[in-house]
This record gives sequence, structure tokens and C-alpha cells, in this order.
Amino acid sequence: GDSVTQMEGPVTLSEEAFLTINCTYTATGYPSLFWYVQYPGEGLQLLLKATKADDKGSNKGFEATYRKETTSFHLEKGSVQVSDSAVYFCAPFSGGYNKLIFGAGTRLAVHP
Amino acid sequence: ETGVTQSPTHLIKTRGQQVTLRCSSQSGHNTVSWYQQALGQGPQFIFQYYREEENGRGNFPPRFSGLQFPNYSSELNVNALELDDSALYLCASSWGGSGELFFGEGSRLTVL
Repeated sequence: GDSVTQMEGPVTLSEEAFLTINCTYTATGYPSLFWYVQYPGEGLQLLLKATKADDKGSNKGFEATYRKETTSFHLEKGSVQVSDSAVYFCAPFSGGYNKLIFGAGTRLAVHP
Repeated sequence: ETGVTQSPTHLIKTRGQQVTLRCSSQSGHNTVSWYQQALGQGPQFIFQYYREEENGRGNFPPRFSGLQFPNYSSELNVNALELDDSALYLCASSWGGSGELFFGEGSRLTVL
């Protein structure tokens, strides 16, 4: 079945620093790839997605590129803000019903 | 546009009891999925409802059951509660099985 591996957190950065959160996956076929974000005390929100190889998803300054050859979907942001502090989840999706496979997530803490 | 709402937000039960959690899906969505998120972990897929029928299930025992109503709202029922059932239960709605989910803020269940 599908699985995902994310870098362990917490990731602690100063405001305006560059962010990378690594994500690699295993899946049958060619899944769509998602990043979801969970702010403190809230449910998850879709941050960005990519549906095929070499696609780049982007939203709110975050970007991730679907790399089929390395089965990776690393999340990047050029300049993080305190408001980006949250837990980030990478999730492959192989179709059918909405069974997303989430890893343990990566907690990001941004300090002023 | 009304988002996904869940009730109750918090509840405490004792081992062996039964619990019902409720979810109202986002306007225009016809599919509801339920996830269990243990503390410090990523969400795990419980099951999905479409057209009032369960059409996908994760690795959860039969004491986890659900319903979907004609207005697409949903219930999650858990019988014979165990200590390990303590978690945040997330409801997510979508239009079909696209993997793009809109989550509620969750119901936090504590089993004593």
C-alpha cells in the first residue's frame, strides 16, 4: 500500500528564513500528491497539490514539485512568517475513495 | 458558504461506553470521510460515505460504524470504547473521491 516518510520535527526557524520539509512516498502507479497544514487547535487544510510528474503546486508562498524519479514532493518557502507555525503533512493519493495516507507530520515553529 | 462543522468539540467517556459524533458537510459536497488522529500522529482513514453508503474503509474494527443522511451530513459511532480510542476525530467532506478534502476542527474524545 501507499506510504509516506517526512523529515522529523520540530523544525525551528527564525522569521524570513528559508524552509524545506522533505517528503518521500511509495505508491502504486502515479498518485496525486498533497500537502496539508494543521494550525494549532484546528483541522487540516489543503495547502497545495500536484497531480502528475514535474507539476509544481503552489499556494501562500509555498511550493512543491512532483518528482517521480526520486518519489519526492518536498515543501519549500523562501521566507517563513510566524503565522506559518503549524504541522505539515504530506499525503499521496492513488484514487478511488478519499483514503489519504498521512505520515506523522512535521511541526514547524517560526520565531520572530 | 458554510464549512464543515463537527459536534461535540470535546467529550469524555469511560471504557465500554458508546459514542456518537456528528458532522455537517460543506455546502455542495456529497462525500464524507472520517479520520482518527492520535496525539502527535497523522490522521488515519476510518471510512468514507457516499450516497448514504460506506464505500471505503480503513483498518478499523466493526465497532466503528457510521451513517450518512440525505442532506450529506454524517455520524460516526464507536461501540465498546477502549482507552486507545482516545483521539481527535476529524470529519472531511468533498465532491466525490478527489483527495481534496475539507476538514472540520474535530471532536476530541477522551476515554477513561
